[in-house]
Amino acid sequence: GAVVSQHPSRVICKSGTSVKIECRSLDFQATTMFWYRQFPKKSLMLMATSNEGSKATYEQGVEKDKFLINHASLTLSTLTVTSAHPEDSSFYICSARDDRGWAEAFFGQGTRLTVV
Amino acid sequence: AQKITQTQPGMFVQEKEAVTLDCTYDTSDPSYGLFWYKQPSSGEMIFLIYQGSYDQQNATEGRYSLNFQKARKSANLVISASQLGDSAMYFCAMREGRGTGRRALTFGSGTRLQVQP
Repeated sequence: GAVVSQHPSRVICKSGTSVKIECRSLDFQATTMFWYRQFPKKSLMLMATSNEGSKATYEQGVEKDKFLINHASLTLSTLTVTSAHPEDSSFYICSARDDRGWAEAFFGQGTRLTVV
Repeated sequence: AQKITQTQPGMFVQEKEAVTLDCTYDTSDPSYGLFWYKQPSSGEMIFLIYQGSYDQQNATEGRYSLNFQKARKSANLVISASQLGDSAMYFCAMREGRGTGRRALTFGSGTRLQVQP
């Protein structure tokens, strides 16, 4: 099946610094990718929809200046958590769907971010 | 209103037995897709099975089957012959609308399944 690679899997950073998370579709093109956030023992909440060549669409309540999304190519989307604070600590996971298909959405491995 | 409802926070099942995880959904869109994912403690989301709203037959993938009851708006996951490795969190999700699939999935709250030896 299709593979989505997310990197890094774990990151610890200091408050006030920025962290970049990459999401790559390895064997397919993805015009659209999605970024989710998951709090412990909770469900996945959509943060934003990343569109290749255009601005991301953010969900209500998600600060676009804090969570910068760039979808520079058909296989890569990045999420940058800027000026991170401890409350940004969470599990972030991306998904992508092959432009040629309709059904499955494949997920990256997720990134566990800890801000100290 | 919740679009995806999973009413079972936790379930136990004996190894080798079958288990049904419940999922109900709410949409006014005639075109939609329903998904089940497994999330082990590592956090990755593993795709299990998909059911389209226009599919006439229930989806099956190995030991997984989806009991799709459109009129009741339910899409229960059935796992047959449970294995210890099936212990994980299970999420039901829906994508509304037909087309290129540029819409995100909406997830339920999940069910934690524990398989007992």
